[in-house]
Amino acid sequence: EVKLVESGGGLLQPGGSLRLSCAASGFTFSSYAMSWVRQAPGKGLEWVSGISGSGGATYYADSVKGRFTVSRDNSKNTVYLQMDSLRAEDTALYYCAKPRSGWYHWDHWGQGTLVTVSS
Amino acid sequence: ETVMTQSPATLSVSPGERATLSCRASQSVSSSLAWYQQKPGQALRLLIYGASTGATGIPARFSGSGSGTDFTLTISSLQSEDFAVYYCQQYNNWPPTFGQGTKVEIK
Repeated sequence: EVKLVESGGGLLQPGGSLRLSCAASGFTFSSYAMSWVRQAPGKGLEWVSGISGSGGATYYADSVKGRFTVSRDNSKNTVYLQMDSLRAEDTALYYCAKPRSGWYHWDHWGQGTLVTVSS
Repeated sequence: ETVMTQSPATLSVSPGERATLSCRASQSVSSSLAWYQQKPGQALRLLIYGASTGATGIPARFSGSGSGTDFTLTISSLQSEDFAVYYCQQYNNWPPTFGQGTKVEIK
């Protein structure tokens, strides 16, 4: 059974930093690109970042480029999202997602971890 | 980026009735279109990919159609567990983008 469990969310002030983690199990982790997708309270879904199976290729939405860094540790079956220079508009539930195939449509999602940026 | 527009925002349907949800792309996405279901407290669920292929374990009452810029998700006979928010998402053009969602509620 595929499982994705996010952690690391919290409440912090604008300008702060946070690192999210997503622990994966139930599939060959290194064989899949992984993505982070977020959902602001009461809003729709926004793709944030993706990373290749090897970790050698990373991609970001324009809204987070230069502030967020995605990485992975295939020995730990974990993908990370380092979030710096946080803004109020980054407040959201952050999901990690495994693609069905390729990169950008996802057949398994975690339950999400909430990040709240507020002064 | 490709803007995905879903309609209606809210659809009120009685159990057992048919629900038809629409999704329009601002430019062609070929058949690279997925539909997801979101229910409170549950993980997002992939329903349809490739515009019309049912994901693993998805009941046959869910079907998708369309290509290019216009897509439809049809739920042939709504069950109580189908009342949820549905999102379309294109993955043909970078970055991948989602529609704003259609809430299917009990009439």
